[in-house]
Amino acid sequence: KAGVTQTPRYLIKTRGQQVTLSCSPISGHRSVSWYQQTPGQGLQFLFEYFSETQRNKGNFPGRFSGRQFSNSRSEMNVSTLELGDSALYLCASSLATSEKETQYFGPGTRLLVL
Amino acid sequence: QKEVEQNSGPLSVPEGAIASLNCTYSDRGSQSFFWYRQYSGKSPELIMSIYSNGDKEDGRFTAQLNKASQYVSLLIRDSQPSDSATYLCAVNMGNSGYSTLTFGKGTMLLVSP
Repeated sequence: KAGVTQTPRYLIKTRGQQVTLSCSPISGHRSVSWYQQTPGQGLQFLFEYFSETQRNKGNFPGRFSGRQFSNSRSEMNVSTLELGDSALYLCASSLATSEKETQYFGPGTRLLVL
Repeated sequence: QKEVEQNSGPLSVPEGAIASLNCTYSDRGSQSFFWYRQYSGKSPELIMSIYSNGDKEDGRFTAQLNKASQYVSLLIRDSQPSDSATYLCAVNMGNSGYSTLTFGKGTMLLVSP
């Protein structure tokens, strides 16, 4: 079974621009969670989507948004990019039938904001 | 603020030794606990999950959970240089939904040949 895929893998943007990242979950997984990883803050939860609905949201500004499509693929968007948005963005998928469900991570998208 | 705390390390052990990694969490209602390994420049990969008090063994890895003390640990026996990585403790905290993990900042493990 194919793993979680993320595109693009690397991205360079300038301040003020916007960016869209894509995530395709493992086949059959209906939950997609997004995380931001930086050296200073570690892995921080952005939001989680299940059946096209945002179920949970982390403590990030409204510039960070996302959506999920009917095939469970998900996108996240960051508008008005700031230097501090430079990070590794990870998505993870799970069956999400209970709290015991394991999340499997994609390879990540490394975003550099100049 | 729901938190997961880990010693940042690095934890240095010689090849063949036991590495002990520790994690504490703030939410007493937490039910699910995970250890992920992350190599430099790569994404986290699951090593162990544990849900009940006590020990859970999988090969060279043993996860230990003590909910009363809000403490979870990972033991790596016969450590190998290939185990050198950052180990992330993750907790699915109560009332946060099925798929919301709170991560510690990770402990870097260095295994010397």
